[in-house]
This record gives sequence, C-alpha cells and structure tokens, in this order.
Amino acid sequence: GESVGLHLPTLSVQEGDNSIINCAYSNSASDYFIWYKQESGKGPQFIIDIRSNMDKRQGQRVTVLLNKTVKHLSLQIAATQPGDSAVYFCAEIAVSGGGADGLTFGKGTHLIIQP
Amino acid sequence: DSGVTQTPKHLITATGQRVTLRCSPRSGDLSVYWYQQSLDQGLQFLIQYYNGEERAKGNILERFSAQQFPDLHSELNLSSLELGDSALYFCASSVEGGSEQYFGPGTRLTVT
Repeated sequence: GESVGLHLPTLSVQEGDNSIINCAYSNSASDYFIWYKQESGKGPQFIIDIRSNMDKRQGQRVTVLLNKTVKHLSLQIAATQPGDSAVYFCAEIAVSGGGADGLTFGKGTHLIIQP
Repeated sequence: DSGVTQTPKHLITATGQRVTLRCSPRSGDLSVYWYQQSLDQGLQFLIQYYNGEERAKGNILERFSAQQFPDLHSELNLSSLELGDSALYFCASSVEGGSEQYFGPGTRLTVT
C-alpha cells in the first residue's frame, strides 16, 4: 500500500492567505521527506525537502514541518499567489551509497487560489 | 525548464504493440528515474539507473524494461501493451546522492 498519503484532495484558499497542506506517512526509515508541485500539463517540480533528523526547514515563502512522533509532514505557503495553484505531492526517499532511490509519492492535494 | 527532455510528447498505439520512450537527463546528472502517472495509481516509481547500471526497481511490470546508455540518456521500453498502460510517463534525473529530482515534461501514452 501507500507509504505516504494526504489528508485532503482539494484545498481552496484566498489569494494572500497562508496555505497549509498536510501529509501522513508510514515509513519511518525514509531519509528525506519532500514536497513537489505539479502544474497542469507539466512534470512535478521540487519545492523543498527535509532530512529525517530535522523538524523544520524554511525556504522562500515555504516552510516544511516534520513531526516524527505522529508521522506527519506539512507544507506551509505564505501569502498564497495565483501562481501557487497546482497539485502538491508529498514524497519520501531513501538515500544510500550510490545515490537516491525512487520517490514514493502520496496522492496529491489540489490547491485552488480564490481571487 | 528542468533541463530534462523527453520524446515523444504524445504516443498513440494499439494493444499488443511495443513502444520506446526516450529521456535525456540534465547535464551532469548520473541518475535517471522513470515514473508512471495515472488517475487510479497516482505517481509510481518504476525503475532507476545510475551511470549506466540498474540501481533500484519499483512497481515495474515484467513487460517493461529500461536501459541507460554511455551518453547517459535512457530509454523505457513498453511491450505487449494493454489499455491499462495508458498513462503519463515521466523521466527524472538527479545528481549522485541527491533527493532533489528534476522531472521532464512527460510522454503521454494512449493505448487503444
């Protein structure tokens, strides 16, 4: 079965508000947890990752939080813009000597920005 | 633009046929990954090559195979195609040891 998953298939937010997208995972052995964004007609695009020994990481307008106690991952997007409209996937990966293994993706949350 | 190229963009073929999808990774990336995206299965990892050698296998069917050539481009071969193989097929590449993968635009395969 799926080792990562998302709570909500669709999330609608007002432009300018903050968005929080959640994900539950089950494989504690993964080395990294990652968020990808997929716009219509395009391939997934890397947003941010977090190593399994961290609990928070910030990027430009995005923050990823990892709660290993409850196996929960979230992506916070500040001041949501129309260009943030996309499907967001959480993913996990194991990294070993020869490089990173394949990504295991969750089902995705479609973020809709209301004007 | 991720720097990963895939050809063709679209492919329409009949059941029982065989097709080859092609991927060129970003310059300098040694790892190539293949993924399948469909409505019912979502995004699934198929197989990974690293510097010409198979490194990891995911949910890849026996009818499917791949290879990575000395110039690091990769091909995914799909044979005895079934209607259920209709999907988007993505190639991604990464640097050695990287968790950040760069995805191509995908090939949309339709099996009729």
